[in-house]
Amino acid sequence: QKEVEQDPGPLSVPEGAIVSLNCTYSNSAFQYFMWYRQYSRKGPELLMYTYSSGNKEDGRFTAQVDKSSKYISLFIRDSQPSDSATYLCACRNAAGNKLTFGGGTRVLVKP
Amino acid sequence: DTAVSQTPKYLVTQMGNDKSIKCEQNLGHDTMYWYKQDSKKFLKIMFSYNNKELIINETVPNRFSPKSPDKAHLNLHINSLELGDSAVYFCASSPPVADTQYFGPGTRLTVL
Repeated sequence: QKEVEQDPGPLSVPEGAIVSLNCTYSNSAFQYFMWYRQYSRKGPELLMYTYSSGNKEDGRFTAQVDKSSKYISLFIRDSQPSDSATYLCACRNAAGNKLTFGGGTRVLVKP
Repeated sequence: DTAVSQTPKYLVTQMGNDKSIKCEQNLGHDTMYWYKQDSKKFLKIMFSYNNKELIINETVPNRFSPKSPDKAHLNLHINSLELGDSAVYFCASSPPVADTQYFGPGTRLTVL
């Protein structure tokens, strides 16, 4: 069993819909949680990061962390075709630089 | 004005060969990484260097050897390439807070 799990998708939604993505993790030591976006044939880029439990909002993006359930979510409001990409969650513990990534969820936003 | 660059972008080679991938960052970061992304998009860390010093070395065959001539460069040398080495290799760098890792465009390695 991998430390961080994601449904690979693809998740197909019409333009303007809310995209809901999630990850589960098994390591209780994880304290920091990130979402990266990766376009086809490009490197991942950081979208959001949160520390411990709670919500964080940035424009159309909202990240949620529930440490009691070991569950992290990313919501994209008013989705656009340009949001079509693979979304990777990542976790790390309090010490060190090692990020543990999920396998990514491919999202397709259809015009 | 690329932040993290890698060369080559594509690499096709025969089994048993030795090859190198180069990475350079112009962000002034102290920490650099190598990741391997397999066909299922799973991104796994291989190595991390901080100021030319190895700080993370995951369970990677010793055919893979990173080299950091200075803190702006982290190269990856692979000996005796195998079919299972086919993947996309990403270089990344970060400031001391590692959450914001900046990734290069990737090197797609195909071993025939």
